[in-house]
Amino acid sequence: KAGVTQTPRYLIKTRGQQVTLSCSPISGHRSVSWYQQTPGQGLQFLFEYFSETQRNKGNFPGRFSGRQFSNSRSEMNVSTLELGDSALYLCASSLLTSYGYTFGSGTRLTVV
Amino acid sequence: DQQVKQNSPSLSVQEGRISILNCDYTNSMFDYFLWYKKYPAEGPTFLISISSIKDKNEDGRFTVFLNKSAKHLSLHIVPSQPGDSAVYFCAASARYTNAGKSTFGDGTTLTVKP
Repeated sequence: KAGVTQTPRYLIKTRGQQVTLSCSPISGHRSVSWYQQTPGQGLQFLFEYFSETQRNKGNFPGRFSGRQFSNSRSEMNVSTLELGDSALYLCASSLLTSYGYTFGSGTRLTVV
Repeated sequence: DQQVKQNSPSLSVQEGRISILNCDYTNSMFDYFLWYKKYPAEGPTFLISISSIKDKNEDGRFTVFLNKSAKHLSLHIVPSQPGDSAVYFCAASARYTNAGKSTFGDGTTLTVKP
């Protein structure tokens, strides 16, 4: 079966711009989580959605937002990009909010 | 303050021997723990989990041990195979229903030599 699909794989943006990243979970999975991975901070939790509702949010500024659609696909948006937002953004999905999650390969965002 | 720590950045073992990866946590609210494996250019893959009501969970060659009093868990891989070479992440959450909001360690790179 198809895994978690994240698009695009790579993205280069300029400071001050905004960006939208997309995640298609495994078919049937209703829970989607987003993480930011950087060399210095490791994997940091951004937010989690279940059935279109945000269940949890990590300690990130309000410039980071997300949503989940009725088909469980999810998007995250970062506005007013800063250099420090350069990172690998990982999306993960699970059938429920328990059990292990399946991660996508990520979107590599570079802010210049 | 790092709440989940994997103090060994790397580990090298011979094929067929046991690999032991360690993880410590500080947050006493954590009661559900997961191990993920990550190959280069791929996202982490879920390996095995354990709830705090247990002290051991096995799945084939992989066994996770939990010592709640020491706030320590370990992943044992027996026997180790070259295909096990990857980065292993320990993750923790408060309640298994919050597995989507996990706190991750920095990972341990395991190299299994043929």
